[in-house]
Parts: sequence; structure tokens; C-alpha cells
Amino acid sequence: SSELTQDPAVSVALGQTVRITCQGDSLRSYYANWYQQKPGQAPILLIYGKNNRPSGIPDRFSGSSSGNTPSLTITGAQAEDEADYYCNSRDSTGFVVFGGGTKLTVL
Amino acid sequence: EGQLVESGGGLVQPGGSLRLSCAASGFTVSSNYMSWVRQAPGKGLECVSVLYSIGSTYYADSVKGRFTISRDNSKNTVYLQMDSLRSEDTAMYYCARATFYAGFPYFDYWGQGSLVTVSS
Repeated sequence: SSELTQDPAVSVALGQTVRITCQGDSLRSYYANWYQQKPGQAPILLIYGKNNRPSGIPDRFSGSSSGNTPSLTITGAQAEDEADYYCNSRDSTGFVVFGGGTKLTVL
Repeated sequence: EGQLVESGGGLVQPGGSLRLSCAASGFTVSSNYMSWVRQAPGKGLECVSVLYSIGSTYYADSVKGRFTISRDNSKNTVYLQMDSLRSEDTAMYYCARATFYAGFPYFDYWGQGSLVTVSS
């Protein structure tokens, strides 16, 4: 089982804002990165570090943190944002770990 | 722009072996942190092995002692040798490169994946 916990499923109405969170003890010390994965495709990097977007990622995707809980926010969700979202960080031993993933449905 | 292309997946019997390859272009694997991340059918992502540029290797407990990560600098290719395979190793295996931000890695390049099926 993952040391990073995510809600298994979240839904959002088209054009609305949704926040996906990631929880874990290691997040007191480490950043969380965020990835998007659509069916049959490899993951792509959305957010790294505090709130950095690689080139080509729309600015409706943003990262933030409240206390020890990082989150990914999609402002104005689009139909094409329906996908699985994963956070990743380090576990207690320093090894890379991923959250269990959140399936986002855009209604 | 970097690119990663995996190969070597397939069907193998329990207890068997398989070697995955990950050919890189656009950057040098020997100067980078390279990793294998797998995804069992319908499940999430799991990092199973990491190879640092200095040559250090790390493995998830689930594969320790059975999998070996290595690289061939002349071919700019990373490998994952998988021995003593089990049914629970059935997954899509992705090769990924990590870049560092504030000392912490994030995976910026991913391959398309190579499917490994362990079954009799």
C-alpha cells in the first residue's frame, strides 16, 4: 500500500474548480509532484515542486499546500481533464513513492 | 526534447526472466536519474527501481533481490533485468527520467510503456 493517500474518485461540473489532495507523513519534509494519466497513455508531469508547471501545461492547473497537505487545483475544468491524477514524493526511507491516484470525472 | 522508448516486454511463465530496455534520445542517461515505474492492470503507479547518475541503485521491497537496473552508456540505454518473476509482477513498465528541484526528483520524461505478463 502507498504511504501517500489520495481520494479514489472526485467529480467536478464542467467549468468549475476542483481540488485533489495528497496526504502522507513524508509530506512534512518533501514536496509533492503531480501527474495526469489518461486511459492507455503514459503519465505526464503537471506540477513539480511548490507550484511549477512544465511548458505546455495549461495554467488552469496549479499546485498549493495547506499545512502538510499538498493539493492540485484545476480552475475551470474541461472535458479533456477527465483522467487519473497521481501525486508523488518520498516515503519515510527516502524512496520515491506515488499516491494511489484520484479518478476525476467531469460532469 | 527527450524521448524514451521501451522494449522487451512479453509473456513469461512464473519463475522466468525478462529484460526490459529503455533507449533514450535527446539527453544522456549516464548524467541522469533514471527509473522504472510499473502499473498493474487497473492499479496505480509504483516506482520499482532507480539508478542515479553516480551509479547507485535502489529497489522497492517488492522486487529487491529479483530485479536489477543497469545502463549501457555506449547505447544510451537503461535496462531492467527481471528474474524469478511472479504473477504479481504483471504490469505495464514505464521508463522515466527524473530531474531535480530543490533536491527532490520529479519525472519529466516517460516512455510509452512495455507490457509484462507473468502467467502459465
